[in-house]
Amino acid sequence: GAGVSQSPSNKVTEKGKDVELRCDPISGHTALYWYRQSLGQGLEFLIYFQGNSAPDKSGLPSDRFSAERTGGSVSTLTIQRTQQEDSAVYLCASSLLAGFSTDTQYFGPGTRLTVL
Amino acid sequence: DQQVKQNSPSLSVQEGRISILNCDYTNSMFDYFLWYKKYPAEGPTFLISISSIKDKNEDGRFTVFLNKSAKHLSLHIVPSQPGDSAVYFCAADNAGGTSYGKLTFGQGTILTVHP
Repeated sequence: GAGVSQSPSNKVTEKGKDVELRCDPISGHTALYWYRQSLGQGLEFLIYFQGNSAPDKSGLPSDRFSAERTGGSVSTLTIQRTQQEDSAVYLCASSLLAGFSTDTQYFGPGTRLTVL
Repeated sequence: DQQVKQNSPSLSVQEGRISILNCDYTNSMFDYFLWYKKYPAEGPTFLISISSIKDKNEDGRFTVFLNKSAKHLSLHIVPSQPGDSAVYFCAADNAGGTSYGKLTFGQGTILTVHP
């Protein structure tokens, strides 16, 4: 079956513009996660969805970042008024069960965001 | 501040030899540890995991060792193959808590296996 997909694969934007990043999880997966990887760093947790609700938004770096998930499926991460420090690879992952740390997370290929 | 650290940015080994990738953590609440492998332009893929109630877990050529007292884990790949060349990430979680699978990752180690 299809894995996790993300679009666009690359996004170049100007400082101050808004961007939307999309994640299509594996069908039937309840849990969805967003991470980002800045240059030379490990993956940094951003937000977790259980179905359409987000019980853990603790990793969102500022109020310019928001995310939603609709229909228990597609998720969109929105960054408003982008800054150069937002440049990173944004990765989405999904897992079958919600709230189980030991459930394998399957990652998409990521969206590389460059803010000029 | 970095709770999971991989202090070796890169490792180069000869095909057929053992690769040992290391990871240290500082948060004593972590009780579940994972290794992910990442090829260029792809997302990380799960490789192997270990719970803190164990000190070793083996899956084929891959073995993860956990030393809780030292807050250290390592991944052994024997024998190493050129196809193992990738970035390896160590990750940790407080599975016994309410982290919802919120993984904390190290910076990654680039493994190159030479034919």
